[in-house]
Amino acid sequence: GDSVTQMEGPVTLSEEAFLTINCTYTATGYPSLFWYVQYPGEGLQLLLKATKADDKGSNKGFEATYRKETTSFHLEKGSVQVSDSAVYFCALTLYGNNRLAFGKGNQVVVIP
Amino acid sequence: ETGVTQTPRHLVMGMTNKKSLKCEQHLGHNAMYWYKQSAKKPLELMFVYNFKEQTENNSVPSRFSPECPNSSHLFLHLHTLQPEDSALYLCASSQVGTSGGASTEQFFGPGTRLTVL
Repeated sequence: GDSVTQMEGPVTLSEEAFLTINCTYTATGYPSLFWYVQYPGEGLQLLLKATKADDKGSNKGFEATYRKETTSFHLEKGSVQVSDSAVYFCALTLYGNNRLAFGKGNQVVVIP
Repeated sequence: ETGVTQTPRHLVMGMTNKKSLKCEQHLGHNAMYWYKQSAKKPLELMFVYNFKEQTENNSVPSRFSPECPNSSHLFLHLHTLQPEDSALYLCASSQVGTSGGASTEQFFGPGTRLTVL
C-alpha cells in the first residue's frame, strides 16, 4: 500500500544550524506530497506541499522538492530558530483519493 | 486560526461515562475526518465523511460512534472507553472533487486531549 517513511529518532540541533529531515514514499500512482508541522499543544498545520515531480514547496524558510526518481520529499531549512521546535510529519495523498498517509513524525528540538 | 475548531480542548472521563467531542469547520469543505494521535504511534485515521456520508471506518471499536449532521459539523460520541483510548483526537476537513478527482490538503483542528481514568 501507499506509505511514507521518515528517518528514525528526534533531531536536536543548535540555533542557526542547517536542518534536514528525510522522507521517502511508496505509492502506486502519482501522489501529492505534504509536510505538516505540529507545535506543542496544537493540531497539525500544513507547512508546504508539492503536487507533481520537480515541484518545490516552500514556506517560512523551509523547502522540499518532489523527487520522483528517488521517491523522496526531504525537508530542509538553512538556519533554524528555537521557534521551529515542533514535530514534523511527511504525508501523501493520491489523485482521486482523499486519504492522507502520514509518516511517524520527527521531533525537532532547537537549542539556543 | 485554522478554520477548524474543536471542543472541548481537554476532557477527563471515567470508563463508564458518555461524552461527545465536537468539530466545526468554517472553510466550506465537503469532507471531514477523525484521527487519533497516541504517544509514540503514527497518526491513525478513524473515520472519513464525504458529503456527510461515512465512507471509511478503519476498524474502530464501537465505543466510538461518529455523527455528521451536515458538512460543517462532526461529532465523536464516546462511551465505556478504556484507559488505552487516552490520546489526542484530531478533526480535519478538506475539499474533495465531486468526480473523485484531486482533493486539496486537509486542515486540522487543535485537537481534544482525552484522558480516560
